[in-house]
Amino acid sequence: AQSVTQLGSHVSVSEGALVLLRCNYSSSVPPYLFWYVQYPNQGLQLLLKYTSAATLVKGINGFEAEFKKSETSFHLTKPSAHMSDAAEYFCAVTTSTGGFKTIFGAGTRLFVKA
Amino acid sequence: DADVTQTPRNRITKTGKRIMLECSQTKGHDRMYWYRQDPGLGLRLIYYSFDVKDINKGEISDGYSVSRQAQAKFSLSLESAIPNQTALYFCATSQTGTVTGELFFGEGSRLTVL
Repeated sequence: AQSVTQLGSHVSVSEGALVLLRCNYSSSVPPYLFWYVQYPNQGLQLLLKYTSAATLVKGINGFEAEFKKSETSFHLTKPSAHMSDAAEYFCAVTTSTGGFKTIFGAGTRLFVKA
Repeated sequence: DADVTQTPRNRITKTGKRIMLECSQTKGHDRMYWYRQDPGLGLRLIYYSFDVKDINKGEISDGYSVSRQAQAKFSLSLESAIPNQTALYFCATSQTGTVTGELFFGEGSRLTVL
């Protein structure tokens, strides 16, 4: 069975600083990995996804994530935080053998200070 | 209009009452899901349906039931609501045959059980 662990329920950065949100996964078969973002009072929307085509994945709003099989990690980064990045971020995993049921991490809330 | 619509968006009810949350989608997707979001726990899968005649339990189905009335409609029922079912509920869709099973979410239904 697959699982996801997000390190840090809250992360606070200054505007313009690097954003790093950590995600580690567990899967016995090759996974598909996702980052979703949830803005206040909204549903989740896809930020980026890893489909085995390339280990460095670029998403919307300047975010990117790198798949590292040896570390079973899929950390999310953005070089320079903007106030509008304040939201909750969820890492998720799915596999073809799991019937494409998506398993989510607990989420990391990102705060951006002016 | 939203591709995935949930009603009601907010509901306050009392212990023991029957509640139905409804979801409809215009994306033409065959797969539909109900998730529950609790602070610090991320999203947990309640039920999912891969087509009209297919209903499957997720991680936390106890106390819930679902109905897939049509390809575009998937409702979640709480037969006798209890306070620990207070949560934010999300409906999501995906399409069979896509590489990763990316999910598309509604805006959520906030349920409070007193």
